[in-house]
Amino acid sequence: AQTVTQSQPEMSVQEAETVTLSCTYDTSESNYYLFWYKQPPSRQMILVIRQEAYKQQNATENRFSVNFQKAAKSFSLKISDSQLGDTAMYFCAFSTDLNSGGSNYKLTFGKGTLLTVNP
Amino acid sequence: GAVVSQHPSWVICKSGTSVKIECRSLDFQATTMFWYRQFPKQSLMLMATSNEGSKATYEQGVEKDKFLINHASLTLSTLTVTSAHPEDSSFYICSAWEGSYEQYFGPGTRLTVT
Repeated sequence: AQTVTQSQPEMSVQEAETVTLSCTYDTSESNYYLFWYKQPPSRQMILVIRQEAYKQQNATENRFSVNFQKAAKSFSLKISDSQLGDTAMYFCAFSTDLNSGGSNYKLTFGKGTLLTVNP
Repeated sequence: GAVVSQHPSWVICKSGTSVKIECRSLDFQATTMFWYRQFPKQSLMLMATSNEGSKATYEQGVEKDKFLINHASLTLSTLTVTSAHPEDSSFYICSAWEGSYEQYFGPGTRLTVT
């Protein structure tokens, strides 16, 4: 079974600064996907960024980037130029077997990191 | 973008009654829908996976007779909490998957059982 660990229950950062959220995972699979989801106070889950394990290049989406270390099974999220709207719960998630159909495409979530951006 | 709706957004029911939550994919057909449960300040816990026209697959520890899932069409899945009790009070989230890499999440339903 896969596990996802987020070791930082809470973090805070000043507006405009950079913050990094940590995530480690454990799997015996060779092909898998990693995600960071954001859950603001509205509780709507929003996909922030995804990474395919077979890609060596780290994914980037505007101010959000990841540091994917496959050998170390580490997948951290860096948020640059933090904004007040980035305040949310951030979940790291793992999925396997994307191409073989629905029942195998399950997301395993970490416990989350509550990020607060201070003005 | 892909939109998933849930109805109702908040429901209060009395202990012993049943309540149904709907999950709809509004602009795409969902191969698979997922139901999650989230307690305050905790992560999402997958309850079950449903494919259209098939019986749902429940995660270990989830009572299939209490949490009835019906996936009647490619755009609608329902979760019925039968004989609800206060311990069933929680935030229930559905997601829909249409075959790409991403699950699209609904806004969630807050269930309060009194």
